[in-house]
Order: sequence, then C-alpha cells, then structure tokens
Amino acid sequence: NAGVTQTPKFQVLKTGQSMTLQCAQDMNHNSMYWYRQDPGMGLRLIYYSASEGTTDKGEVPNGYNVSRLNKREFSLRLESAAPSQTSVYFCASSELPTGSGNTIYFGEGSWLTVV
Amino acid sequence: AQKVTQAQTEISVVEKEDVTLDCVYETRDTTYYLFWYKQPPSGELVFLIRRNSFDEQNEISGRYSWNFQKSTSSFNFTITASQVVDSAVYFCALSEAYNTDKLIFGTGTRLQVFP
Repeated sequence: NAGVTQTPKFQVLKTGQSMTLQCAQDMNHNSMYWYRQDPGMGLRLIYYSASEGTTDKGEVPNGYNVSRLNKREFSLRLESAAPSQTSVYFCASSELPTGSGNTIYFGEGSWLTVV
Repeated sequence: AQKVTQAQTEISVVEKEDVTLDCVYETRDTTYYLFWYKQPPSGELVFLIRRNSFDEQNEISGRYSWNFQKSTSSFNFTITASQVVDSAVYFCALSEAYNTDKLIFGTGTRLQVFP
C-alpha cells in the first residue's frame, strides 16, 4: 500500500539554491495538495490541484511553484530557497476536493533545512 | 472566518489514564466536515476520523471516542486507558463545503503517555 509517496525525505539546501520535491499517489485521486508544517502553527496549505491540469494558491504560496504533471504526480519547487522555508513538507491527496467531505491522505513528509 | 483551536499545547498522562483532547472550531458554513489526525514521532499523518456537520452522534472505536457538539462548536477526542503508543501530536481539522479545497488545521496537541 504505497498511498502517497514523496521524495526526498531529508534535504539540506544553501540559501539561494533551488530544488523540487516530488510527490506521487497511487489511489487514482483527483485532488492533490502541498502543506508545510512549522512548530506551533499546524499545517498550512501552500498550493493545491483540484484536478489534473489545474493548480491554485493556498495560504502560503510565496516562494513556491507547483506542477501537476499528470493525475498521479504533483511537484513542489523552491526556486531560490530561503531560511524561512525550513520546514516539514507534506504532500497529500483526496479523491475529490475536501469540501465534499473527502478525506485527505498524507505522505510521510519531507524535512527541508535551508542554511 | 474559519478557524480551528486546540488550546491544549501539551498533555502528559500516565498509562491507563483517560485523556480528552479539545477542539473548538469556527465556521459560517452550515455544511462542514471535521477530522482528527495523529502524528506519531515517526512524523507521518494518520487519519483517524471524519464527521460531517449533520451527524452529531458520538463515535467510539476501541479506546477512542469522539464527542461532537454543534451547540458549543466542539469536536473533542477521548482516549480511554491510554497507552505509551498513543504518544503523538493530534491535529483537529475543518473543511467547508463552500471552501472546497482547503483543510484548516489546528495547531495540534502533543500527548505524552508515560509508563
């Protein structure tokens, strides 16, 4: 049961470097999400893709770009990493958008440190 | 505005004690969904339960139970006879029918169960 798989699990970047977090789900879900988790702040939505071919900004999109490559894959790119982007990143998916009551299933997280 | 409040930042109990994690939510929507997720020390987010706004029946699953009260906008989670394996951060979350792609998280409650 792979579910939602994200890579890499750990990454250290220097300020100004770029990188892409990869995410794939095998549940045939339509909607995919990227969240970040910071201490004391819960999870905050960065970007989401309600369906293949669409992407929209969430609560904290600045400094990030996303690509919904196909129905399975949704990548998150940091073009010029900043220390404020040190966080744990979670990819997630749901069959339909959450407003319809669908449950979101999460990957195992990617720990990113920007020095 | 939509909001989820978990006022308890950290709770410590001794094994076999009962413990209740509080969750208070705010929403203007009449149709909404409430969730609980568990984040064990390994870091992944595990779905525990989903409840829709039209179903106020309490739910019990083994040692876990949930009390949903619309009158107080609360969706509390009780663990009976806690065990060390229950040690984790627990998140309450809200999604709304009109805000279809957003799952709003509380800041989480860290539960430590000591032997």
